Amino acid sequence: GAVVSQHPSWVICKSGTSVKIECRSLDFQATTMFWYRQFPKQSLMLMATSNEGSKATYEQGVEKDKFLINHASLTLSTLTVTSAHPEDSSFYICSARRSGGDTQYFGPGTRLTVL
Amino acid sequence: GENVEQHPSTLSVQEGDSAVIKCTYSDSASNYFPWYKQELGKRPQLIIDIRSNVGEKKDQRIAVTLNKTAKHFSLHITETQPEDSAVYFCAAKWGRGSGTSYDKVIFGPGTSLSVIP
Repeated sequence: GAVVSQHPSWVICKSGTSVKIECRSLDFQATTMFWYRQFPKQSLMLMATSNEGSKATYEQGVEKDKFLINHASLTLSTLTVTSAHPEDSSFYICSARRSGGDTQYFGPGTRLTVL
Repeated sequence: GENVEQHPSTLSVQEGDSAVIKCTYSDSASNYFPWYKQELGKRPQLIIDIRSNVGEKKDQRIAVTLNKTAKHFSLHITETQPEDSAVYFCAAKWGRGSGTSYDKVIFGPGTSLSVIP
């Protein structure tokens, strides 16, 4: 158990457009989901914490109006990159955690390329 | 602020030798320390974790030790195999409570481990 999926696995978009990435917990209920950004050969940078039914908590330096996060159900969180620019190109990974638990289960990631 | 340091950044060992990766954390209130393995192009996978009420935990060839006083924790891999080659991340949990919305896990910068056959 504890499988997390992400969709799409990769996406290429034009500068100025918006892209939505979905993160789903397939076999458990995730009260909390996390969104990370990872640059090549670098660590996981926490962008925001998404709690079901409430507003996301963003890390310092992450623009909430640019990276819109919605956690509408216990199995789905979405990250929308609005007005994407080439500098937003990166690998975005989500993780999900059960209520009361500590372990985070990661999704496979989404490679975003903005032209 | 919240910070996790990790050393070394790269590590090469001969197959069969041991590998040790060390991490330090800044918040003495941290109480959960997971280790993740990430192979190229794949998702991070939890390999072992330890909580602050335990000093050591072992799972087959992998062990983790925690020194709360010094705010250090380490990953030990014995009898390394080529398939152990990957990037390893340590992490520490910040915040209050267990599994609440007020906590988060901060990752170290990673260690690229290469096991030479």
